Formats: sequence, structure tokens, C-alpha cells
Amino acid sequence: GAVVSQHPSRVICKSGTSVKIECRSLDFQATTMFWYRQFPKQSLMLMATSNEGSKATYEQGVEKDKFLINHASLTLSTLTVTSAHPEDSSFYICSAEDRLKADAEAFFGQGTRLTVV
Amino acid sequence: GENVEQHPSTLSVQEGDSAVIKCTYSDSASNYFPWYKQELGKRPQLIIDIRSNVGEKKDQRIAVTLNKTAKHFSLHITETQPEDSAVYFCAASRRNSGNTPLVFGKGTRLSVIA
Repeated sequence: GAVVSQHPSRVICKSGTSVKIECRSLDFQATTMFWYRQFPKQSLMLMATSNEGSKATYEQGVEKDKFLINHASLTLSTLTVTSAHPEDSSFYICSAEDRLKADAEAFFGQGTRLTVV
Repeated sequence: GENVEQHPSTLSVQEGDSAVIKCTYSDSASNYFPWYKQELGKRPQLIIDIRSNVGEKKDQRIAVTLNKTAKHFSLHITETQPEDSAVYFCAASRRNSGNTPLVFGKGTRLSVIA
């Protein structure tokens, strides 16, 4: 099946610094990728929809200036957590779909566990 | 927007017994309903999905049923095994007419007791 690769898998950063997370579709083109956040023992909450070549669409309550999304190619989307705070510590997961397939399955990256100290 | 409710939040069954997890959705335009299994610290893995043109789908020990009128769908796992222990998420979205992102239920923590 299609593969979505996400890096890094774990990152620890200091408060106030920025962290970039990459999401790549390895064998298909993904004009749209989705970024989710998952707090411990909770569900996946959609943060934003990343559109190739255009601005991302953010869900209500998600600060676009804090969570910067860049989708510069058909196979890569990046999420940058700027000025990170301890409350940003969470599991971040991306997903991508092969838009050439009408009934495409959503594939998830491995996830990134971010810890802000 | 879509809202997905999932029950129960936790479920314990004896090995060999069946487990049933139920979800309801609010958007009548949703037509794609996947189920994911997530182990601790790992990505969700698709285990089965169903589209709105069918009422039931089965894959070995796993089956999903869909009632479009009532807007609910269920996951059935038969002959449960300890390795089935995980968190299961249902989700809903639209496909083929302006794809929308998956909206997830809150999850069910399934424990299969040997």
C-alpha cells in the first residue's frame, strides 16, 4: 500500500524554540495532506488541511501563526510549531491521500511525539 | 460540520468472545466510514472501511455494518485474541464529491483478557 513518511518521530525542544515536522508521500502524489494532533488517551483532532501550492485551511481554534504549514510540492508538507510551549507537547500525525484515486484510502505518517521542556 | 460519536469508551472482553463498537455520525452527506486500530505511540492502521452504497462488509474476523437511515455504523470483532487489544477509532468523511478530512470518534480502548 501507499506509504506516508513523517519525521522526526520524536523531538524534545526548549520553550520558545521552533520545531519543523515533515510529512512525505513516498509513492503517490498528495495534493492535500491533513495534520492532526492527539493528546494522551484522546482522539485525533484535525488541525489543518494542507493544500499544495496554496494556503492551508485551519480548523477553528488553531492558530495559523503558531502552526505554520507549507505544502510546496505534491509529496511534501511541513508543519512548524513556532515559539513552542509545554502545552504544545503532543503527538502530531499527518495523513495523505492519492487524489488520482477516487476512492483513496487515507494513509498516516508514523507520528511525531513533541515534548516541550 | 461532521460530528462522530463513539461508544463505549472502554471495552473488556474474554478471549474468544465478540466485541462490538458503535458510532453515529451527523452529516448525511458522509459516505465513507473507516475503522482504525491504534497501538500505543503508533500510527492508526486501517482495519476495514465501508462506503454508503453497501450495508455490511466482512474481512475474516472483522465486520462492519452501516445503517444510513439511522446514521450509525458498527465494528464487530469475533473470536477476539489478546493481540486485538488496542484503541479503535471510527471515522466519517465525504468521498467523490469534494473530499473532506476524516472526522474521528473519541476512540474505544479494547482489552482482550486471556
